[in-house]
Amino acid sequence: SAVISQKPSRDICQRGTSLTIQCQVDSQVTMMFWYRQQPGQSLTLIATANQGSEATYESGFVIDKFPISRPNLTFSTLTVSNMSPEDSSIYLCSVVTGGSSEAFFGQGTRLTVV
Amino acid sequence: AQSVAQPEDQVNVAEGNPLTVKCTYSVSGNPYLFWYVQYPNRGLQFLLKYITGDNLVKGSYGFEAEFNKSQTSFHLKKPSALVSDSALYFCAVRDSGYSSASKIIFGSGTRLSIRP
Repeated sequence: SAVISQKPSRDICQRGTSLTIQCQVDSQVTMMFWYRQQPGQSLTLIATANQGSEATYESGFVIDKFPISRPNLTFSTLTVSNMSPEDSSIYLCSVVTGGSSEAFFGQGTRLTVV
Repeated sequence: AQSVAQPEDQVNVAEGNPLTVKCTYSVSGNPYLFWYVQYPNRGLQFLLKYITGDNLVKGSYGFEAEFNKSQTSFHLKKPSALVSDSALYFCAVRDSGYSSASKIIFGSGTRLSIRP
């Protein structure tokens, strides 16, 4: 298993600003995944973050809007840039460890853009 | 491309009765299937998984799921529901096996409501 810490747990931001979400894992993992979830809705994969290379973005998500850093095997950040109210959502960090097949999730960051 | 469908937005069951939450999937290779539960204002918790072997897998909190390859289904079940089982349940699928590079795709979710 893995213990994942996300910061901040929630934030209220002004439109046009940017927020960086941090994800810290208690073990080294190859891949980290960033998801977005509207409250009570499904999870949508934003991107897959590989240490030492560019993140891979899913359709509908671009690097300029959601830049991702992955400086080492236990840490990643997701930035939500130039925010609008439509970006209000829960952002979740997820990992799959080498010894398991299932994903483990952080508690999420609840973002409200006003 | 892989996909997963949960045809029911909501399932209502009386406490003590059996429950079933439906899930069907589509992958090009062998599926790795998962169920997660999300309680209000909480993160996702892993319930159970099917990788290979016995088609009936058992997981946390008394839940189990049956893998049916011919019907491409992986329905979640519990013999006797509890009010505390009320939550949002997600079915998920991976297409590439043990490679941690393969992404997990989630269904739309089913809200399970257990009435006393």
